Amino acid sequence: DAGVTQSPTHLIKTRGQQVTLRCSPKSGHDTVSWYQQALGQGPQFIFQYYEEEERQRGNFPDRFSGHQFPNYSSELNVNALLLGDSALYLCASSLEWDTTYNEQFFGPGTRLTVL
Amino acid sequence: QKEVEQDPGPLSVPEGAIVSLNCTYSNSAFQYFMWYRQYSRKGPELLMYTYSSGNKEDGRFTAQVDKSSKYISLFIRDSQPSDSATYLCAMTKTGTASKLTFGTGTRLQVTL
Repeated sequence: DAGVTQSPTHLIKTRGQQVTLRCSPKSGHDTVSWYQQALGQGPQFIFQYYEEEERQRGNFPDRFSGHQFPNYSSELNVNALLLGDSALYLCASSLEWDTTYNEQFFGPGTRLTVL
Repeated sequence: QKEVEQDPGPLSVPEGAIVSLNCTYSNSAFQYFMWYRQYSRKGPELLMYTYSSGNKEDGRFTAQVDKSSKYISLFIRDSQPSDSATYLCAMTKTGTASKLTFGTGTRLQVTL
């Protein structure tokens, strides 16, 4: 059983460009969350998708947007990249939304460098 | 002020030592508390979770939660070089169960 997979592994972009990151959840999972982890920091919640809709959102600007597909995979899009967007972007999948507790399984992340 | 505070370390201990990792938090709405381990260039993996106050043991790992003090701990007994990693505490509030709020992470190095 493949766990959470993310692509690409690494990405280098320049300021002002746009980027799309991809995530495939663990088999059987229907909820995908995205986190940004800056160097030396803990992951910060960006948003969560369930049933192809954004259900929760953290304190990130509208430059960050996402999508969930019918097969539960997800994309994270970032427009007008800033140097401060350089980070490890983590995707986490879980089963069911808004339950009391559910374990989130993390992928290996995509390391984005903005020059 | 961050909702969750964690000493970033680094923390260096000899093999076999008992390790104590801690986090404090400010929001009493947090109900579920987790510890994740993150190896370099990898995603976090869940080590333990606890609900509300109390202790939970799993092998060499013990998690403690003291809600009255807003303080959580992870103890690692008989530490091994393979335990060298960054340890992240995380917690969720009632009603927003899936949104994890993380600490900064503590980098642990276990030396031979």
